[in-house]
Amino acid sequence: SVLTQPPSVSAAPGQKVTISCSGSSSNIGNSYVSWYQQLPGTAPKLLIYENNKRPSGIPDRFSGSKSGTSASLGITGLQTGDEADYYCGTWDSSLSAGVFGGGTKLTVL
Amino acid sequence: QVQLMESGGGLVKPGGSLRLSCAASGFTFSDYYMSWIRRAPGKGLEWVSYISGSGSTMYYADSVKGRFTISRDNAKNSLYLQMNSLRAEDTAVYYCSRAPGYYYNYYTDVWGKGTTVTVSS
Repeated sequence: SVLTQPPSVSAAPGQKVTISCSGSSSNIGNSYVSWYQQLPGTAPKLLIYENNKRPSGIPDRFSGSKSGTSASLGITGLQTGDEADYYCGTWDSSLSAGVFGGGTKLTVL
Repeated sequence: QVQLMESGGGLVKPGGSLRLSCAASGFTFSDYYMSWIRRAPGKGLEWVSYISGSGSTMYYADSVKGRFTISRDNAKNSLYLQMNSLRAEDTAVYYCSRAPGYYYNYYTDVWGKGTTVTVSS
């Protein structure tokens, strides 16, 4: 994938986890980043857009940030219902295409 | 409410063709760029294609360029993906999604449930 994410992360219920997303100057470096949650057997859902904005209905346990050519998604107060695959996404100006990270599987132990 | 519903998936032989459709409701369809995104079994999300609200501008992933064509009919509130010369690696769940942002502000805020395409002999 054009964007690099860790394949998996895990933490205990109630704890905090951070998922990283690394890119380059042609994508994250000059574009906004979005984050998506895909629960098993369901369609992806938008969690964060424009680096750090939450759509209506997304709890403030979810937060996003970006610095240079990297971005991160933070989730606090982990719940078993947060177990899902998480993806970062952005636009790549060199490819003239949307791009996603490879996805990170979150396990809440 | 805002809804997207895909249809047209199925089993097709390598080299064959398939046309996916996406019916939109609950919003002014022509005001939005739209995207197709897929997820192959055991893999992550892959961006496939993107079309402007007027249908005049389209973008494609390198993996489908020259084989897939995205189009829309704003009078019918519908998005399409014509897939030709299908390969086994095109096997995936295909999602239709709404894209409120443009280019450097690309993101998708509404997704359909997806339609499954299987390419196999």
